[in-house]
Amino acid sequence: EPEVTQTPSHQVTQMGQEVILRCVPISNHLYFYWYRQILGQKVEFLVSFYNNEISEKSEIFDDQFSVERPDGSNFTLKIRSTKLEDSAMYFCASTMTTPSNQPQHFGDGTRLSIL
Amino acid sequence: SQQGEEDPQALSIQEGENATMNCSYKTSINNLQWYRQNSGRGLVHLILIRSNEREKHSGRLRVTLDTSKKSSSLLITASRAADTASYFCATDYGNNRLAFGKGNQVVVIP
Repeated sequence: EPEVTQTPSHQVTQMGQEVILRCVPISNHLYFYWYRQILGQKVEFLVSFYNNEISEKSEIFDDQFSVERPDGSNFTLKIRSTKLEDSAMYFCASTMTTPSNQPQHFGDGTRLSIL
Repeated sequence: SQQGEEDPQALSIQEGENATMNCSYKTSINNLQWYRQNSGRGLVHLILIRSNEREKHSGRLRVTLDTSKKSSSLLITASRAADTASYFCATDYGNNRLAFGKGNQVVVIP
């Protein structure tokens, strides 16, 4: 069964550094998402992306965050100047068609640790 | 923000028993979804129930939705040790994002 893949599985970064988290969505999917889960807390929506532009973003997704689909397969989340509170699991997800009444398919996540 | 909330938070049962989890939400939804997360892994989609549906089955899973009470339940029948995981409900308000609850940790004792 097709899967969403994320790399790396664990990223350790110094505070203030830039980090790029990578995702390869399922190949025929058109809608892409990033969520994060701080340890012990809820999974939180960050951003959705369709047709090479952001569809929705949460209040968490401020100017230090950006997303990009640099080629036909990768979908990336960049955090420009990381803070301690950015430490979390980051999940990528995708759906095939318009997300209304469609399940989202998630990757296994990237654990981001900011030192 | 509008988010689902599961209750109870942790459940420990013997293999073969049923496990029930509940979820409530605040405003009208397009659909409600249940996901499972094994330790250290991603979220696996289990069932999606639309706002005009009241009950849905998938194998040993049964989901109900009561829109008048703004609540949903997930029942796992004849539980197995492999069902040990965290279970999350997520609501789709039609705004192209999912709002997740805090999750229920289920431990099935062999």
